[in-house]
Amino acid sequence: GAVVSQHPSWVICKSGTSVKIECRSLDFQATTMFWYRQFPKQSLMLMATSNEGSKATYEQGVEKDKFLINHASLTLSTLTVTSAHPEDSSFYICSAPRQGGAFGYTFGSGTRLTVV
Amino acid sequence: KQEVTQIPAALSVPEGENLVLNCSFTDSAIYNLQWFRQDPGKGLTSLLLIQSSQREQTSGRLNASLDKSSGRSTLYIAASQPGDSATYLCAVKRNNAGNMLTFGGGTRLMVKP
Repeated sequence: GAVVSQHPSWVICKSGTSVKIECRSLDFQATTMFWYRQFPKQSLMLMATSNEGSKATYEQGVEKDKFLINHASLTLSTLTVTSAHPEDSSFYICSAPRQGGAFGYTFGSGTRLTVV
Repeated sequence: KQEVTQIPAALSVPEGENLVLNCSFTDSAIYNLQWFRQDPGKGLTSLLLIQSSQREQTSGRLNASLDKSSGRSTLYIAASQPGDSATYLCAVKRNNAGNMLTFGGGTRLMVKP
């Protein structure tokens, strides 16, 4: 149980285009979803926290107009990288807490974004 | 501010060895601690979750211990196998209203056949 499905697994896009990444909780309700970015051989860096029914909370230094987050329902959160540039190329992972984190966290499988 | 450190950053061992991965955290007011495994280019797979009131958790060849007062957790892997090769991450959840995780830098493990 407690599966988070993340799509796409990988995407290549041209500079200036936008890319949407989806995360769905399949068998539980995720009122909160965390979005991370990971550079090669580094740990996860929290970008933002999405909350169903309210605005996302962004970490310091993360451009909210560039990384649009929408938490449309209790099972779906999306991250849209707008006007992507090569420096946005990275591995993006979402995560949802179970029972507010009391039962741990479930992660998506990640999305490898390459901007050319 | 909570800081989580993992030592060593990388480890290479021959198959069959028992090994210990270390995780330390600066703020002992944690709710729980979770160990994850990450394969290259993949998401995180949860291995063990230890609540703050617990001392250890076991799953198969894995055993994780928690000493909250000293800010330490260890992940013990018995009889290591090449398939155990991956990056292991520990993460702590703070003991407050928020539910954010703080991650360590990870330990990259390679088990040689």
